[in-house]
Amino acid sequence: SQQGEEDPQALSIQEGENATMNCSYKTSINNLQWYRQNSGRGLVHLILIRSNEREKHSGRLRVTLDTSKKSSSLLITASRAADTASYFCATDSSGGSYIPTFGRGTSLIVHP
Amino acid sequence: DAGVTQSPTHLIKTRGQQVTLRCSPISGHKSVSWYQQVLGQGPQFIFQYYEKEERGRGNFPDRFSARQFPNYSSELNVNALLLGDSALYLCASTPQGVGTQYFGPGTRLLVL
Repeated sequence: SQQGEEDPQALSIQEGENATMNCSYKTSINNLQWYRQNSGRGLVHLILIRSNEREKHSGRLRVTLDTSKKSSSLLITASRAADTASYFCATDSSGGSYIPTFGRGTSLIVHP
Repeated sequence: DAGVTQSPTHLIKTRGQQVTLRCSPISGHKSVSWYQQVLGQGPQFIFQYYEKEERGRGNFPDRFSARQFPNYSSELNVNALLLGDSALYLCASTPQGVGTQYFGPGTRLLVL
């Protein structure tokens, strides 16, 4: 079973708009990571947020973490066609396993 | 510096055959993890190795096995292939087994 679940499953927007993806998880975590995957290729790490952090920024990316709701969001501002990809959240359980567990992903399409 | 490399890039096998996939981690990384990604799903954890020892195993049958060599490269073996083993097999490396995973491009396996 998946630890993290992304929402929505698919998102279609116009270039320049913002894209928001959400991730919910079930158990306490050490950290949460977001990855991007282009066309079934290898995943690229975007950002890591620790359980004691609430918000993190990296360029056009903004990630928030709400441990009380067991949820995270990824915001991509001023989207570009090159942002078209699948986005996954990955969590590692604070129960002792540091192995990240991935959700099913959000498929983002940015129309030029 | 070279990233994570995997070979082969594509592979076609028939049911019942055996397959070996190879992964070379980033120089200096001592941990390698293997994931299976079925079309439309997120990566599913198979194995993690650190310093040549198995550190974690996902919910996969005994047909799946792996090992890590003294140079930290790794092989994933799958015996008695089933149609359902068709997937993208991803290898990821980390310096010490926790935190950000650096993924290779994957090996796409098709079982006919």
